[in-house]
Amino acid sequence: AQSVTQLDSHVSVSEGTPVLLRCNYSSSYSPSLFWYVQHPNKGLQLLLKYTSAATLVKGINGFEAEFKKSETSFHLTKPSAHMSDAAEYFCVVSDRRGGADGLTFGKGTHLIIQP
Amino acid sequence: NAGVTQTPKFRILKIGQSMTLQCTQDMNHNYMYWYRQDPGMGLKLIYYSVGAGITDKGEVPNGYNVSRSTTEDFPLRLELAAPSQTSVYFCASTLMLQGMNTEAFFGQGTRLTVV
Repeated sequence: AQSVTQLDSHVSVSEGTPVLLRCNYSSSYSPSLFWYVQHPNKGLQLLLKYTSAATLVKGINGFEAEFKKSETSFHLTKPSAHMSDAAEYFCVVSDRRGGADGLTFGKGTHLIIQP
Repeated sequence: NAGVTQTPKFRILKIGQSMTLQCTQDMNHNYMYWYRQDPGMGLKLIYYSVGAGITDKGEVPNGYNVSRSTTEDFPLRLELAAPSQTSVYFCASTLMLQGMNTEAFFGQGTRLTVV
């Protein structure tokens, strides 16, 4: 079975400093990987996705992530945090089997931006 | 192109009442999912469907039922509402094609309170 581990439940950074949200995964198949963002009382919005093309993936709002197969990681980064980045972030893995294992969510990382 | 539409956005139920959460997608996606999200927790899969006429249980199906009579619609039925079903519910859809899963598209969520 596939799984996702978000290594930090909370991350706090100062505005203007880099952001790193860590995600490790396991999958028996070549997975697709996604990062979603959820602002308070909102739905989930796709930030970026990896689907076996370029390993460095650029997303919206200046975020990017690098797929590292040898480390089974898909960490999310941003060079300079903005107050509007404060939200919950979910790492998601999907493999070809679909069904109940089609989408597996991490437990989320709450990003706090200090002024 | 509306994507995934969920109704209602908010609802208060009394214990023992029943209701149906509606979910419709217009992207011709084959896979649809229902999740619940409790405060500070990730998303837990309630039910999913891989196509019209096919549904299956997820991680937390007790107290819920679903149907998938068409590709577009995937309603979630709550029978005999209980306080433990107070949560935010999200419907999602994906396209599973040639072994690859596209990103999930989410509805805006339904905030349900059972009193």
